Amino acid sequence: NAGVMQNPRHLVRRRGQEARLRCSPMKGHSHVYWYRQLPEEGLKFMVYLQKENIIDESGMPKERFSAEFPKEGPSILRIQQVVRGDSAAYFCASSPRMGGPDTEAFFGQGTRLTVV
Amino acid sequence: DAKTTQPTSMDCAEGRAANLPCNHSTISGNEYVYWYRQIHSQGPQYIIHGLKNNETNEMASLIITEDRKSSTLILPHATLRDTAVYYCIVAERSNDYKLSFGAGTTVTVRA
Repeated sequence: NAGVMQNPRHLVRRRGQEARLRCSPMKGHSHVYWYRQLPEEGLKFMVYLQKENIIDESGMPKERFSAEFPKEGPSILRIQQVVRGDSAAYFCASSPRMGGPDTEAFFGQGTRLTVV
Repeated sequence: DAKTTQPTSMDCAEGRAANLPCNHSTISGNEYVYWYRQIHSQGPQYIIHGLKNNETNEMASLIITEDRKSSTLILPHATLRDTAVYYCIVAERSNDYKLSFGAGTTVTVRA
């Protein structure tokens, strides 16, 4: 019973490149949430997706960031033209239905993005 | 826009109870109190949540004051593996996937 799988665990990109972060939810989970943790700060919500739908993207930066959760395959968080300020840990969580802890939302181990 | 206030850090002896305080004086009537923890380099882990009654599960107990302005997370028998950053968060149930984590309390359990 694999948990939420995120890859890569560590990603290094040069300024201006694109970063693609992948999240495979737990089996049976159709709701995915992305969070970002900047250095020395707490996690902040970015976006909530169901299969093929963005439900809430109120925490997403207005430019360069996008997310998708296709019918098949993992959820992808894409950051275009990365800048140093994008360096952070990006966490994905999944749940079998909308909501937080008592709907059994579980977090992955995160992807640590470093922009050089 | 911090809704909760927690001590920056605290130490606890292994085998003893760890009592983690949290102030949330501006909590509204439909907001719950959630506790998560984050062990170094891992994703957050849900611990417990409550509205106004005290709650207990296999991990911890949550004591919420009658006026709901503060709460205490109790780890009954702390182990070295409980060393982590503990986050107290308040949120409406309908938005509890949009949890915003503050700085939390860094708990160090010492042998």
